[in-house]
Amino acid sequence: GAGVSQTPSNKVTEKGKYVELRCDPISGHTALYWYRQSLGQGPEFLIYFQGTGAADDSGLPNDRFFAVRPEGSVSTLKIQRTERGDSAVYLCASSLMMYTEAFFGQGTRLTVV
Amino acid sequence: SQQGEEDPQALSIQEGENATMNCSYKTSINNLQWYRQNSGRGLVHLILIRSNEREKHSGRLRVTLDTSKKSSSLLITASRAADTASYFCATDGSDAGGTSYGKLTFGQGTILTVHP
Repeated sequence: GAGVSQTPSNKVTEKGKYVELRCDPISGHTALYWYRQSLGQGPEFLIYFQGTGAADDSGLPNDRFFAVRPEGSVSTLKIQRTERGDSAVYLCASSLMMYTEAFFGQGTRLTVV
Repeated sequence: SQQGEEDPQALSIQEGENATMNCSYKTSINNLQWYRQNSGRGLVHLILIRSNEREKHSGRLRVTLDTSKKSSSLLITASRAADTASYFCATDGSDAGGTSYGKLTFGQGTILTVHP
């Protein structure tokens, strides 16, 4: 596609539920990143993939968060047993390779009620 | 943790004036990037400056980098109301050997308001 696509754009879920957030990167981009942004803050790094493997998952806050990229393209961020504190905009970005400019999707606004 | 710290947190100017935003960081970097964000959603890449570069231009944007002071500045000349947005610096940090960590670390951002 022309840009990074994230679905859904908005997600409201109840506390304790499981959610999946999807990211379709720009075709051919090998690096894919997930960030989380709370109101008034800068994006906070969660995890990044180089190809299919998670090159760095040090930003995942706890073991309720998990992300996959099985074929080196689409990625899914999975959150188990959601908590109200998980409410934020989840941003995905991709880049042609490491160390180059990253292109961001419009984000998924997750609200846990 | 957030490495980049932007200054000021908020900037309000009139159309036609120049806007300058600063960014400081703490570790070694491979490059530093500036992004713009409207309405709290997707970020748009503005410019990338590598650690061995000191200045870069793109249209009305001018970025400087001083690695000895671990700081960068973004200058927007002849600002327009459409420039109103949040601006973030992001660093591609590296270890002491110059190996990139491969991820971008963002600052808290500067909210720029340009009044018509």
